Amino acid sequence: GESVGLHLPTLSVQEGDNSIINCAYSNSASDYFIWYKQESGKGPQFIIDIRSNMDKRQGQRVTVLLNKTVKHLSLQIAATQPGDSAVYFCAENYNDMRFGAGTRLTVKP
Amino acid sequence: DTAVSQTPKYLVTQMGNDKSIKCEQNLGHDTMYWYKQDSKKFLKIMFSYNNKELIINETVPNRFSPKSPDKAHLNLHINSLELGDSAVYFCASRPLGSGANVLTFGAGSRLTVL
Repeated sequence: GESVGLHLPTLSVQEGDNSIINCAYSNSASDYFIWYKQESGKGPQFIIDIRSNMDKRQGQRVTVLLNKTVKHLSLQIAATQPGDSAVYFCAENYNDMRFGAGTRLTVKP
Repeated sequence: DTAVSQTPKYLVTQMGNDKSIKCEQNLGHDTMYWYKQDSKKFLKIMFSYNNKELIINETVPNRFSPKSPDKAHLNLHINSLELGDSAVYFCASRPLGSGANVLTFGAGSRLTVL
């Protein structure tokens, strides 16, 4: 079946830089997307969401961009901090929430 | 107060054994889930229950049997454990409603089958 996937399995950035985590989804009927953050030993936690009738949504230090033409989702983290080090998942709502494989973000001091 | 709590957090057992993982949520949510996360961090939905009724069963082997005694609890029983069952199992919940898709996850239960 169709699945949510990620372009980069790992990403390493310098503290203070901006991070961009990408996600490709293949199900054009998905109407809602969420980014989750998973720290070591914990369950995934909600970061930000976006509906398919939007192309951009901003939160505190995070921005999600949705490009439905190419079925692409990205998470931008401004001024990345060591506490941002985690695995990030995009999830799409199609027959309930389906997750991609995750990207590990490592922030170097 | 823990919103979604799972027990046990760690479980080590031999192949062929039967084990259970319990989940409870105190959020008043109507829908509960089990997800399996493998060693590569891939999160795969296994089951979802809505008010004690099974909604999704994602081609999970019959050895896995979810049980929901009430809408605040969703337990996972696994028979005849196999090596490939080793993973972290996450319970999650969300309220009912078309706009309420954000899942709240438990901390996970790491199952190791030897």
